[in-house]
Amino acid sequence: KQEVTQIPAALSVPEGENLVLNCSFTDSAIYNLQWFRQDPGKGLTSLLLIQSSQREQTSGRLNASLDKSSGRSTLYIAASQPGDSATYLCAVRDYKLTFGKGTLLTVNP
Amino acid sequence: EPEVTQTPSHQVTQMGQEVILRCVPISNHLYFYWYRQILGQKVEFLVSFYNNEISEKSEIFDDQFSVERPDGSNFTLKIRSTKLEDSAMYFCASNPSKGGMNTEAFFGQGTRLTVV
Repeated sequence: KQEVTQIPAALSVPEGENLVLNCSFTDSAIYNLQWFRQDPGKGLTSLLLIQSSQREQTSGRLNASLDKSSGRSTLYIAASQPGDSATYLCAVRDYKLTFGKGTLLTVNP
Repeated sequence: EPEVTQTPSHQVTQMGQEVILRCVPISNHLYFYWYRQILGQKVEFLVSFYNNEISEKSEIFDDQFSVERPDGSNFTLKIRSTKLEDSAMYFCASNPSKGGMNTEAFFGQGTRLTVV
């Protein structure tokens, strides 16, 4: 059974700092990995999708990496802003998405 | 930009009542899903739907749950007799037809179901 773990559970940083969120998964037989953002009480906004054959994907200040053989992914956020404050979820796909519990990020002005 | 639309945004129901949660997936998408998130917990898979039938379902998706695509655009989740533990945020998601599993999943904004 696929298990997804995200570390840290919560992170508080000053504005402008670069940061890394970690995601690990137990079964490497995945199609892809997707990072989402969730604001309190809201839906899931897709940030990045990495195919299982890819190592990296970038969108603006976000960069996600994938090491499928070791079951790890990282989300790098450059020059963090208060508007980045949210919960970041990692999910891996076989026939369905399996989610981690998320990292609650707070960026302080 | 196309989006997945869910209604209602919030529903309160009495225990034992039937509820129907509605979703309009992105047009031309063929793979549809329901997920739920109990407050403070992980997002969990409930069911996937393709070609007008259930393709996969989780242990959570028991006989109290059913899904339907009644008219080619709406995708519904019915809970026949709600329990207190069904209180959660329910998310609908869809994937584009091309690529299926290899493509990005698009999620709706969710329906918060509160069972009292």
